[in-house]
Amino acid sequence: DGGITQSPKYLFRKEGQNVTLSCEQNLNHDAMYWYRQDPGQGLRLIYYSQIVNDFQKGDIAEGYSVSREKKESFPLTVTSAQKNPTAFYLCASRDSYEQYFGPGTRLTVT
Amino acid sequence: RKEVEQDPGPFNVPEGATVAFNCTYSNSASQSFFWYRQDCRKEPKLLMSVYSSGNEDGRFTAQLNRASQYISLLIRDSKLSDSATYLCVGYTGNQFYFGTGTSLTVIP
Repeated sequence: DGGITQSPKYLFRKEGQNVTLSCEQNLNHDAMYWYRQDPGQGLRLIYYSQIVNDFQKGDIAEGYSVSREKKESFPLTVTSAQKNPTAFYLCASRDSYEQYFGPGTRLTVT
Repeated sequence: RKEVEQDPGPFNVPEGATVAFNCTYSNSASQSFFWYRQDCRKEPKLLMSVYSSGNEDGRFTAQLNRASQYISLLIRDSKLSDSATYLCVGYTGNQFYFGTGTSLTVIP
């Protein structure tokens, strides 16, 4: 069964803690993306990676970090420097021009 | 100015109605466009790609007008299950640009 998995579905953290969100795909896609979505807003790009060991900042990269050591995996770390980390985080991969999303992780930081 | 803009709605239509959504984009270099559907608290799912020649998939028709820089989605014979938020998306230089979405509720 091919697809994109994100875990966990819900995540709760205390302010000041770093947290890493998992994203794995078995679609053999080179490009992967991380977005956040806030209520009533569109998706905003955090980071993207075109190939292994390479990634670029998106529009709202501050307070986030990523790695791309394997084609299948693109984890996102939300650091304590991110001022408003509570959001819905979506990972996606791209085949040619079409993009496919994982089920997302809802992060709540209190 | 946002790359992609769309009317947030909400659109409340009766079952069986025809409804149309429009979306405008600012970057004339945008390569491709898409409509995604997003259900409440779920991930967006690709509904259809949009071509200049227009394309149809069952009750859904998408159109791209490059001269006026807008994209449209027409839903015919609306079903209750069409209730969702519809996202207009442009693709430019390895990045995707999302509209904020148009909310549709189909009423029995």
